[in-house]
Amino acid sequence: EIVLTQSPGTLSLSPGERATLSCRASQSVRSNYLAWYQQKPGQAPRIVIYAAGSRATGTPDRFSGSGSGTDFTLTISRLEPEDFAVYYCQQYDDSWTFGQGTKVGIK
Amino acid sequence: HVQLVESGGGVVQPGGSLRLSCAASGFSFSPYAMHWVRQAPGKGLEWVAVIWSDESNKDYADSVKGRFTISRDNSKNTLYLQMNSLRAEDTAVYFCARDASGNYHYFDYWGQGTLVTVSS
Repeated sequence: EIVLTQSPGTLSLSPGERATLSCRASQSVRSNYLAWYQQKPGQAPRIVIYAAGSRATGTPDRFSGSGSGTDFTLTISRLEPEDFAVYYCQQYDDSWTFGQGTKVGIK
Repeated sequence: HVQLVESGGGVVQPGGSLRLSCAASGFSFSPYAMHWVRQAPGKGLEWVAVIWSDESNKDYADSVKGRFTISRDNSKNTLYLQMNSLRAEDTAVYFCARDASGNYHYFDYWGQGTLVTVSS
C-alpha cells in the first residue's frame, strides 16, 4: 500500500498569501497518478488537480500542482476567502489511498 | 448535470447490516467505474471499494474485505454497498464517487454522503 503523508497538518494564512502544501508518498507514484481534493465543512470533496499538475474543470488558475515520483506539491498563489478548506492528496497508481489532509485556515 | 445521491444510512447495532444506495443521474452510468469512500467523524478520507463497469471486477480496502460487498444495477443507474458485521469503527459518512475513467482513476464527481452510525 502506498502511504501518503501530507505536511503541514495546518496552515494559517491570510487572504492574498501563498499556500504551499506537500504530499510525500512511501513509494514512487507511477505516471504521476496523483490528485488533490478540496473539502469544506459539511460538504463532499471536490477535485482540484489530477495527474499531479492538471487543473480540473472549474479550478481557478491560482491553483497549481507539481512534483513527481514521491514528492508532490499543491500551490495556491493568492488565497481567496473561498480557498480556506481541507486539502487531501490521493494516489490512484496502486489501488487508492488518501493523505491525512492539510487544513488551510484563516490567520 | 451529474448527480449522485446516497441513501440508506442510519443507526445500526454492532454486528448488524445495512445497505447503502447511490442513485446516479445526468450521465451514462454503465461505462463508469464507481467507488465508495468513507469519512469517520472529524477524520480524513478512506477509500472503501470500487466496482468496474462490467461488474465483474471489484476491489476492497483491507478494513472491509469479507464484510462489505459493492454492486451495481446498470438498468437502474444505481450503486450499492452491502455492509455486514458492522463495527463501531465503520461509523462514518459514506460517499459514492464516480471514477474519471480513461487513463485517470481519480474521482471527478461525489455525492453528498450518507451517515452510518454503529452503536449499541
